[in-house]
Amino acid sequence: DGGITQSPKYLFRKEGQNVTLSCEQNLNHDAMYWYRQDPGQGLRLIYYSQIVNDFQKGDIAEGYSVSREKKESFPLTVTSAQKNPTAFYLCASSIGLARNTGELFFGEGSRLTVL
Amino acid sequence: SQQGEEDPQALSIQEGENATMNCSYKTSINNLQWYRQNSGRGLVHLILIRSNEREKHSGRLRVTLDTSKKSSSLLITASRAADTASYFCATGQRSPGKLSFGAGTTVTVRA
Repeated sequence: DGGITQSPKYLFRKEGQNVTLSCEQNLNHDAMYWYRQDPGQGLRLIYYSQIVNDFQKGDIAEGYSVSREKKESFPLTVTSAQKNPTAFYLCASSIGLARNTGELFFGEGSRLTVL
Repeated sequence: SQQGEEDPQALSIQEGENATMNCSYKTSINNLQWYRQNSGRGLVHLILIRSNEREKHSGRLRVTLDTSKKSSSLLITASRAADTASYFCATGQRSPGKLSFGAGTTVTVRA
């Protein structure tokens, strides 16, 4: 079945460590996104990518990095520079940019906890 | 600050009743979307309404959009226990690639 796969579902990190969250899609979508969700705050955009080898910062990009070497893959690295990384991270994709062409397809999320 | 703000924050209703939640936003939009999220899961797209549309239906869902008031409403009719979830509005803004989400309305449907 087509969809978005995020891994791992749960991740624990010690302070000072970088961690990478995986996001893979087989929907042949051009655009991919990373959102962060904290309780009571809704979703905040971290990074998005419209095409391979191109990505743009969202509202809260500091302390995060991404790459888009393949259309299907958009991994997110949470670096040690991110001061409050404990959150639920959601990856999404869309056919074109969501502002124009509509719906986002979401993965099931990755919950990162800093010990 | 968030573009979309949902109201109320939480809603508890009896099975069979209707649930209404509202979303207000601040800047011009291309479209407005509603999503559902079950606890600990990803979001699922429910419905999209474009800025030149005023009302849209999908099954038991009815969405209205009033661009003059910068507001939208989502009505779920004849609610079921399976409708228990958080509902988010998201606005597709004119700046590239940006879809901004509100904080959501948590709906509990009691059997």
